[in-house]
Amino acid sequence: GEDVEQSLFLSVREGDSSVINCTYTDSSSTYLYWYKQEPGAGLQLLTYIFSNMDMKQDQRLTVLLNKKDKHLSLRIADTQTGDSAIYFCAERKNSGYALNFGKGTSLLVTP
Amino acid sequence: NAGVTQTPKFQVLKTGQSMTLQCAQDMNHEYMSWYRQDPGMGLRLIHYSVGAGITDQGEVPNGYNVSRSTTEDFPLRLLSAAPSQTSVYFCASSNTGLGTEAFFGQGTRLTVV
Repeated sequence: GEDVEQSLFLSVREGDSSVINCTYTDSSSTYLYWYKQEPGAGLQLLTYIFSNMDMKQDQRLTVLLNKKDKHLSLRIADTQTGDSAIYFCAERKNSGYALNFGKGTSLLVTP
Repeated sequence: NAGVTQTPKFQVLKTGQSMTLQCAQDMNHEYMSWYRQDPGMGLRLIHYSVGAGITDQGEVPNGYNVSRSTTEDFPLRLLSAAPSQTSVYFCASSNTGLGTEAFFGQGTRLTVV
């Protein structure tokens, strides 16, 4: 199938903001998700956004959606070392229930 | 509340052996799915089920079978293991409404030698 694209690596300093970008494939996708995976663990839902929204904020997390460009971003404010993980962008296409995942962005937060 | 439980956590198989990865959820979710995660490949959908008695193929179904005899359980069977099936396998479940969260198990790390 078509690929959801993400950059593979991002390194930031503790206290800075992190921005992880994603380009998804289907303009009719209704929901877009950000999942976090810590080493050796499963995936944990961080946040999601409905396709008729431009922005969603949840504490330190801000999701921006540009539906025209099929671009999604996740901003983490005041990044902490505990935020070091792999972050996956995923789309739920209008036609089904399965999630189409990107390859994941590995975020490294340095002191 | 256990959520999604996968067993075993780790498994080593010889080429040609068969085994079943177990997945159980206690949230009465209709939708369950299996993904495999490989380095640099993200998560790819193997099989999914929208309810008991209903299964369908995902992106990479070859070499795997599934069944859904109950709402709670969705086992994944490897009929004749191959080294290419070395991967981390994740089971997920959710309600079928749009926008609902998919809950993931902790994963099964499988090595085929």
